[in-house]
Amino acid sequence: ETGVTQSPTHLIKTRGQQVTLRCSSQSGHNTVSWYQQALGQGPQFIFQYYREEENGRGNFPPRFSGLQFPNYSSELNVNALELDDSALYLCASSFGPTGEQYFGPGTRLTVT
Amino acid sequence: KNQVEQSPQSLIILEGKNCTLQCNYTVSPFSNLRWYKQDTGRGPVSLTIMTFSENTKSNGRYTATLDADTKQSSLHITASQLSDSASYICVVSARCGDYKLSFGAGTTVTVRA
Repeated sequence: ETGVTQSPTHLIKTRGQQVTLRCSSQSGHNTVSWYQQALGQGPQFIFQYYREEENGRGNFPPRFSGLQFPNYSSELNVNALELDDSALYLCASSFGPTGEQYFGPGTRLTVT
Repeated sequence: KNQVEQSPQSLIILEGKNCTLQCNYTVSPFSNLRWYKQDTGRGPVSLTIMTFSENTKSNGRYTATLDADTKQSSLHITASQLSDSASYICVVSARCGDYKLSFGAGTTVTVRA
């Protein structure tokens, strides 16, 4: 176990709805990175939060947004859900933006 | 264009047998390469990490090799067990200071009794 937790484990949403996924980082870590992993694919970088600020973003539209809180936990918000948003969403925490990343178990999102 | 390519996409082996997974990358300048094991529906767990100067790293029955000149890495699993059934992902980091990781698509290994 890495000490990184995510909630919920699974959820099902309807196209057009909004969703919030949560991640608690490992103790001592101040950076959270979010990834989307489609079935049979490697994770794709969404964005990273460092000290409560967005520190970089992958090729994802603005309807993917995030937050990091003073305790370094983080949220991923996705608006106007599309069918292609169905995936495993992983968060990883690290000490600093380039530190070793430790992954959580993921949240499986299904959009119908 | 994916900068990390893995092969094979999937393989099936009998319990007790060995197998080797391949990873080719074009990420440059290179910082380090990691192999992760990902059980179905779970987050990836790090197996090995190698920097430019390292060409072999072992973790139990897992042995990773790195040839930084040809930009190739392999992961060898010895005496496979049923619990080795998982996806194995090769992840490459660019130079220090670049936080972005480049992930391969993974090789799915199925170990059968």
